Amino acid sequence: GAVVSQHPSRVICKSGTSVKIECRSLDFQATTMFWYRQFPKKSLMLMATSNEGSKATYEQGVEKDKFLINHASLTLSTLTVTSAHPEDSSFYICSARGLTTYEQYFGPGTRLTVT
Amino acid sequence: RKEVEQDPGPFNVPEGATVAFNCTYSNSASQSFFWYRQDCRKEPKLLMSVYSSGNEDGRFTAQLNRASQYISLLIRDSKLSDSATYLCVVNKPLGTMDTGRRALTFGSGTRLQVQP
Repeated sequence: GAVVSQHPSRVICKSGTSVKIECRSLDFQATTMFWYRQFPKKSLMLMATSNEGSKATYEQGVEKDKFLINHASLTLSTLTVTSAHPEDSSFYICSARGLTTYEQYFGPGTRLTVT
Repeated sequence: RKEVEQDPGPFNVPEGATVAFNCTYSNSASQSFFWYRQDCRKEPKLLMSVYSSGNEDGRFTAQLNRASQYISLLIRDSKLSDSATYLCVVNKPLGTMDTGRRALTFGSGTRLQVQP
């Protein structure tokens, strides 16, 4: 199947700093990328959807100024958690899909811990 | 009501057992259905799509009942390696948002523990 990478896999940062997470589709062109967040023992919650070259669409309750998403190319999307707080600690997972399928390919996730 | 509901489990079964998971979804306009599996602290991986006619992949059988808005997954002859959380996943229907999105909605998952 298609491969999606995410970097970093794990990050620990201090409260108030910003963290950037990269999501790359390695062997296909991802017209749409999705960012999810998962708290322990909870389901994945969609944060935002980004289409290449356009602004991201955020789900209700997700602050766009706090979670900055850039989808500058068909193979790369970035999520920046700005001014991180301990409550932002979570497992962040991206997924990518091509133009003609509902199937999404997930990255391995980034575990963010804010101290 | 949650968009996708699943029994959280855990289901503790012996090796070789048959186990069934159920899932209901709230939006009758949903169009695509999947089962994903997620291992602890890992990303979800697609297990199988679910079709109206029912479909089978080895020991796994998925069924969809659109009238009842009900999806099931049956695992036969369960293996230790089947231990994971199984996520029922439904796509958000077209027409309620930009057509380019087609995001997936995840159930909270059912945890399966297969014991020797």
